[in-house]
Amino acid sequence: GAVVSQHPSRVICKSGTSVKIECRSLDFQATTMFWYRQFPKQSLMLMATSNEGSKATYEQGVEKDKFLINHASLTLSTLTVTSAHPEDSSFYICSVSESLGEQYFGPGTRLTVT
Amino acid sequence: QKEVEQNSGPLSVPEGAIASLNCTYSDRGSQSFFWYRQYSGKSPELIMFIYSNGDKEDGRFTAQLNKASQYVSLLIRDSQPSDSATYLCAPRGAAGNKLTFGGGTRVLVKP
Repeated sequence: GAVVSQHPSRVICKSGTSVKIECRSLDFQATTMFWYRQFPKQSLMLMATSNEGSKATYEQGVEKDKFLINHASLTLSTLTVTSAHPEDSSFYICSVSESLGEQYFGPGTRLTVT
Repeated sequence: QKEVEQNSGPLSVPEGAIASLNCTYSDRGSQSFFWYRQYSGKSPELIMFIYSNGDKEDGRFTAQLNKASQYVSLLIRDSQPSDSATYLCAPRGAAGNKLTFGGGTRVLVKP
């Protein structure tokens, strides 16, 4: 399956600052990538669908102005958490979808906002 | 009613035994179903997927699907301590490639 990388793997930032997370599809041209968030002991929650060359589609309840997604190429999507607050501390994971709908996940980025 | 329901566990099985995991879903339009394994602190990894009614085997794993009952299951044969993880069921909806994840079943394989 597709090989996906994320950077950084861990990040600590101060409240009010912005953080950018990169998701790269290393061996597959991904027109669609997905961004998830996972809080401790909870399941994955889809935040948004990232579409190459167009605007992302956000799930209900996810603020598009707070979680900025850019999918400028077939191999790179970025998620920027703007004006981060402690409640944004979470495990952020991206995925790439292949032809049969199966998704392959990146290793995740653990964000801690102090 | 949750869209995808799984027993949270933990499901405790002795080494070498069969672990049986169940998942029910509410979207009748779901066409394909994915099982992921997630170790603590790591991201999910795909184990297998199924889209036709019946059984599908891959190594020690067997997925079973019954669309009429809106039920999908995963059997892990000859369970090993390395199988200890959370298993996530994820149906794919009728439209698009979005997956809806269940809460996961935590499996504990005891030596």
